[in-house]
Amino acid sequence: DIQMTQSPSSVSASVGDRVTLTCRASQSISGYVNWYQQKPGRAPELLIFATSTLQSGVPSRFIGSGSGTEFTLTISSLLPEDFATYYCQQTYSTPRFGQGTRLEIK
Amino acid sequence: QVHLVQSGGEVRKPGASVKVSCKASGYTFTTYRITWVRQAPGQGLEWMGSISAYNGHTTYAQNLQGRVTLTTDTSTSTAHMELRGLTSDDTAVYYCARIVPGYCAGSRCYGDWVDPWGQGTLVTVSS
Repeated sequence: DIQMTQSPSSVSASVGDRVTLTCRASQSISGYVNWYQQKPGRAPELLIFATSTLQSGVPSRFIGSGSGTEFTLTISSLLPEDFATYYCQQTYSTPRFGQGTRLEIK
Repeated sequence: QVHLVQSGGEVRKPGASVKVSCKASGYTFTTYRITWVRQAPGQGLEWMGSISAYNGHTTYAQNLQGRVTLTTDTSTSTAHMELRGLTSDDTAVYYCARIVPGYCAGSRCYGDWVDPWGQGTLVTVSS
């Protein structure tokens, strides 16, 4: 099983900040990474697929990148609606999610 | 527009079974696989398994093998997840979601992704 480790587990930031979330795979997974956003009491929603492709309707301030074992999700300038929990997912083998990064307002 | 609508919350006693349904609309049901993911209170997302709505082929998470069964009813475009031998550890919100198949572009290939998700079904296991 390929494990996905997200860091940090939580982060506090302010509106307008640039923040980068990291997801590391236990072995190389090429570009088989997706990112989801989940707000309290809601189902997760797809943000980015195939490492860096924005899902339709997702603002361009969300940027995905990476390859091999290290992947990042950057939010270039935080808006109030961006405070949520973010999960990475690998689909290179048996699908597995990272444990999530909770993005909180400072 | 693609929608997945799940059945309502359930309460079960330990040892019982539960069956959650997920009705799809807005696309050709048999063209995609459906996955099930659960989330225990305050915890992360756990992949449970997936099923092809085309041929019924299933893949299950190893830790749930033998207790979970995924099925589809193509006549109603509905997927079902049955979990048996419930314990308090199975208390969670259960989500269904559609799997969009990955692709290759040039020399680079990308895996599947999941979109959209159902609204979730809370299953509570309590004596």
